[in-house]
Amino acid sequence: NAGVMQNPRHLVRRRGQEARLRCSPMKGHSHVYWYRQLPEEGLKFMVYLQKENIIDESGMPKERFSAEFPKEGPSILRIQQVVRGDSAAYFCASSLLAGGGNEQFFGPGTRLTVL
Amino acid sequence: GQQVMQIPQYQHVQEGEDFTTYCNSSTTLSNIQWYKQRPGGHPVFLIQLVKSGEVKKQKRLTFQFGEAKKNSSLHITATQTTDVGTYFCAGEYPGANSKLTFGKGITLSVRP
Repeated sequence: NAGVMQNPRHLVRRRGQEARLRCSPMKGHSHVYWYRQLPEEGLKFMVYLQKENIIDESGMPKERFSAEFPKEGPSILRIQQVVRGDSAAYFCASSLLAGGGNEQFFGPGTRLTVL
Repeated sequence: GQQVMQIPQYQHVQEGEDFTTYCNSSTTLSNIQWYKQRPGGHPVFLIQLVKSGEVKKQKRLTFQFGEAKKNSSLHITATQTTDVGTYFCAGEYPGANSKLTFGKGITLSVRP
């Protein structure tokens, strides 16, 4: 059973470009979470999705950021018109259940660098 | 707002020493989870605590959930160099819809 997959592992973008980060959850998991981690900081929750639904996007910046988890295919975190402050590690996690017992399995992350 | 505090952010111990770290919430949690992240790696789930006063052990690691479900502790007995990494606690609040609030983590270094 493959773990959570994320690609690309490293992404370099110039200011103003778009960044697309992909996440494939563990097999059988329908709950996906995106987190951002700045150097020497904890994980900041961004968004929680289930298939075709955004459940909680309270951690998403109001502008330039969007996320989706379509019926088929991976979850996508999209950052438009990137700025230097977007440079961070973005982790995706998935869980089998919601609520108690919802241990989250993390992917290897995408390290985004904005030049 | 709801937040989970982990202080200090760094701790250095001599190999063989015991290590304890704490995690505190301003309000009651539904459950708390602990994760470990090695340098350059990703967080790995260690344990989940749900019941008030719950204690769970994994080899040299002991996890405890406070009676009021507002704090938790991680104790490592006789640290080894393999224990190096950052330990995060993450709390789920009632009605939070599976959203976890992570502490900033404590980075443990072990001198051989």
